[in-house]
Amino acid sequence: KNQVEQSPQSLIILEGKNCTLQCNYTVSPFSNLRWYKQDTGRGPVSLTIMTFSENTKSNGRYTATLDADTKQSSLHITASQLSDSASYICVVLSNSGYALNFGKGTSLLVTP
Amino acid sequence: EAQVTQNPRYLITVTGKKLTVTCSQNMNHEYMSWYRQDPGLGLRQIYYSMNVEVTDKGDVPEGYKVSRKEKRNFPLILESPSPNQTSLYFCASSSTYYQETQYFGPGTRLLVL
Repeated sequence: KNQVEQSPQSLIILEGKNCTLQCNYTVSPFSNLRWYKQDTGRGPVSLTIMTFSENTKSNGRYTATLDADTKQSSLHITASQLSDSASYICVVLSNSGYALNFGKGTSLLVTP
Repeated sequence: EAQVTQNPRYLITVTGKKLTVTCSQNMNHEYMSWYRQDPGLGLRQIYYSMNVEVTDKGDVPEGYKVSRKEKRNFPLILESPSPNQTSLYFCASSSTYYQETQYFGPGTRLLVL
């Protein structure tokens, strides 16, 4: 069964610090992997998408990495801000079928 | 403005009373999808549609129906709601299944008593 596991489940960091969120998946065959940011009570917003051939992709202070061999991805947040407090969701698409595979998310709290 | 709209945003109903949550997008997207989000379980896909008249089940389709008669609209129908369908629902659309940017609606919070 296709699965997407995220860690940690929750994280608290001080404003200005960096952090890294992890996503491991078993989805096969792999098409692409997406990271979303979801503020409380709102719909998710896309941060990055990575295909099989991409190792690193940046979007401002957000940098995603992908290792398709080990089926692992990470989202690195640099110089965190209070507005980064949100849930970060990893989504993996397969070339087989059209359903999306969601991780349960990592809840990030950035404190002053 | 490109957007996905959902109505209603909040709904309280009773067990067994049929309801419909509407979803509309103005971006001419082919792919549309419904999700429910519950604490500790994350987002789970209910149904999706690749295009008009083409729909398929996601991970948790039981108790739900959908239709895609027009490209812009993708309503979610609960024929006989039950308390376990109390949840936060999101509709989303993208140009195609593989297209990067999936736009999510603002969410509909449903309480079934």
